[in-house]
Amino acid sequence: ETGVTQTPRHLVMGMTNKKSLKCEQHLGHNAMYWYKQSAKKPLELMFVYNFKEQTENNSVPSRFSPECPNSSHLFLHLHTLQPEDSALYLCASSQDSTGAYEQYFGPGTRLTVT
Amino acid sequence: AQSVSQHNHHVILSEAASLELGCNYSYGGTVNLFWYVQYPGQHLQLLLKYFSGDPLVKGIKGFEAEFIKSKFSFNLRKPSVQWSDTAEYFCAVNAKSSASKIIFGSGTRLSIRP
Repeated sequence: ETGVTQTPRHLVMGMTNKKSLKCEQHLGHNAMYWYKQSAKKPLELMFVYNFKEQTENNSVPSRFSPECPNSSHLFLHLHTLQPEDSALYLCASSQDSTGAYEQYFGPGTRLTVT
Repeated sequence: AQSVSQHNHHVILSEAASLELGCNYSYGGTVNLFWYVQYPGQHLQLLLKYFSGDPLVKGIKGFEAEFIKSKFSFNLRKPSVQWSDTAEYFCAVNAKSSASKIIFGSGTRLSIRP
């Protein structure tokens, strides 16, 4: 099993739908992250969890709702999204969230909001 | 606010040419610095990192980067590129005072002509 997995890899949803993105890490890490990657823009940090506790919310709209039930799993619940939310959503993990350890990234979920 | 600038959006080189990709950041305090690479169809992965000590850092695949504190720069170099270096390269900065927040640059796409 590869280090960080994400499902689904592709998702198309309407603006009124509710869906969830899933991330799982098999590296024994304690910190997990959600990033948004849009074309020609810097990777945007969305949320950080350390030992299951949210330590960073980078002013993300409430239509994105993260959940971290344990150190290995991270979800991003989506509802009433907008077309501008279409992007690649990346999950990452690291030993902890002090910034002293590299992050390991998953392959991403390509989200299209119609 | 902290920011990371990668001045070159797309660089095209021939094989065996020398490479230098620029990265500048805006933050006056102590930082951790990273270069990540994303090969076509693959995950983002760490190329090299600087935390402290020798400002010339060597990474995988013959890449190196030099931290110049006075210039707030962390440029990536390789003396002789190969076709397999075709990828997107991201510079990232973590201010040690805001541990869990890593700021990424917008990336530089490197295309190598065989």
